Amino acid sequence: DSGVTQTPKHLITATGQRVTLRCSPRSGDLSVYWYQQSLDQGLQFLIQYYNGEERAKGNILERFSAQQFPDLHSELNLSSLELGDSALYFCASSPTPGTGGGTDTQYFGPGTRLTVL
Amino acid sequence: SQKIEQNSEALNIQEGKTATLTCNYTNYSPAYLQWYRQDPGRGPVFLLLIRENEKEKRKERLKVTFDTTLKQSLFHITASQPADSATYLCALVLSGGYNKLIFGAGTRLAVHP
Repeated sequence: DSGVTQTPKHLITATGQRVTLRCSPRSGDLSVYWYQQSLDQGLQFLIQYYNGEERAKGNILERFSAQQFPDLHSELNLSSLELGDSALYFCASSPTPGTGGGTDTQYFGPGTRLTVL
Repeated sequence: SQKIEQNSEALNIQEGKTATLTCNYTNYSPAYLQWYRQDPGRGPVFLLLIRENEKEKRKERLKVTFDTTLKQSLFHITASQPADSATYLCALVLSGGYNKLIFGAGTRLAVHP
């Protein structure tokens, strides 16, 4: 158990809908990262927050947005869903902002499996 | 174009043998390289990190090498066990930026009794 929690575990919805995925980082971790994992794309970095502020952006679509709240939990909002958005969405956390280079270990949650029908 | 390549086909080995997984990259200059293990339906778990100026890193039965000239990392599991069966992901961390991990597609390892 990494200490990172994600809810819900599974989510089934229809095209065009909007969903919110939630992540609670490990106790004391200030950085939260979101990743998307699909069969054809592998694990793709979406976005990082550190202590409430956006720090880095990856291949995140404009239909997707995220935020980190004062209690450090984070939410990933996915709107106007398409079939291709079906994937596993992982949240990871680390104690530092990641500016120390690649020595910061990221701890991954169990993921949310999103199915868009 | 930038690429990270891991053996796309599953690696099948006998228990007790050494498993060797490969991670090749092109058009990247990583400062660090990390290896993760992922079990089906679960999140990746960090295993080892190696810096660009390190040739080799060990942790128990695991060994990682990093050759920046060949642009390749090798991941070894010695005395493999069926419990080592999983998908192994390599991830690059680029220099000069935040801790954004760029993952390979992973190699599935199956260790047979």
